[in-house]
Amino acid sequence: GAVVSQHPSRVICKSGTSVKIECRSLDFQATTMFWYRQFPKKSLMLMATSNEGSKATYEQGVEKDKFLINHASLTLSTLTVTSAHPEDSSFYICSAKSGTRQDTQYFGPGTRLTVL
Amino acid sequence: AQSVTQPDIHITVSEGASLELRCNYSYGATPYLFWYVQSPGQGLQLLLKYFSGDTLVQGIKGFEAEFKRSQSSFNLRKPSVHWSDAAEYFCAVAAPGGGNKLTFGTGTQLKVEL
Repeated sequence: GAVVSQHPSRVICKSGTSVKIECRSLDFQATTMFWYRQFPKKSLMLMATSNEGSKATYEQGVEKDKFLINHASLTLSTLTVTSAHPEDSSFYICSAKSGTRQDTQYFGPGTRLTVL
Repeated sequence: AQSVTQPDIHITVSEGASLELRCNYSYGATPYLFWYVQSPGQGLQLLLKYFSGDTLVQGIKGFEAEFKRSQSSFNLRKPSVHWSDAAEYFCAVAAPGGGNKLTFGTGTQLKVEL
């Protein structure tokens, strides 16, 4: 149980285009989802917290107009990287919290974004 | 603000040997403490967590961790490492009742020699 998927697993795009990454909780309802960014050989940095049906809360230094987050249902959150640039290339990971198991986050496998 | 330090970037152990991965945290009170493992192509998997109570916590895959308040540490241990344990290990903390926003350490890469 408590499986989180991400799609796509890898994406390559041209500079200036937008990319959407999906995060789904497959067997539970996720009232809260988190988006992280992981740089090579670095830790995971929290980008934003999203609650179903409300606006995401972004961490300091994260551009909300650059990284659009939508949590439209209890099983789906999307991260859209708008007008992507090479410096946005990274590994993006989502996690989800179950409404019944508030103390534990379940992580997706991540999405490798490469911007050319 | 809370922070997590994992002093060892890389650790190599022989299969069957014991393992200890270090984690120190900085927080004003006792935080929630977690250990996650990340394998290539896989999401982070929760190994164990500590919220309160018994300071020795048992997790999955034969791992355990001990919370030591006096040392602000939460070290991960395994008595006998298997080759399949090779992965990246992350220690994380969260403020109790703080929406469970996780702060991660920089990770320890474990290599297992056969």
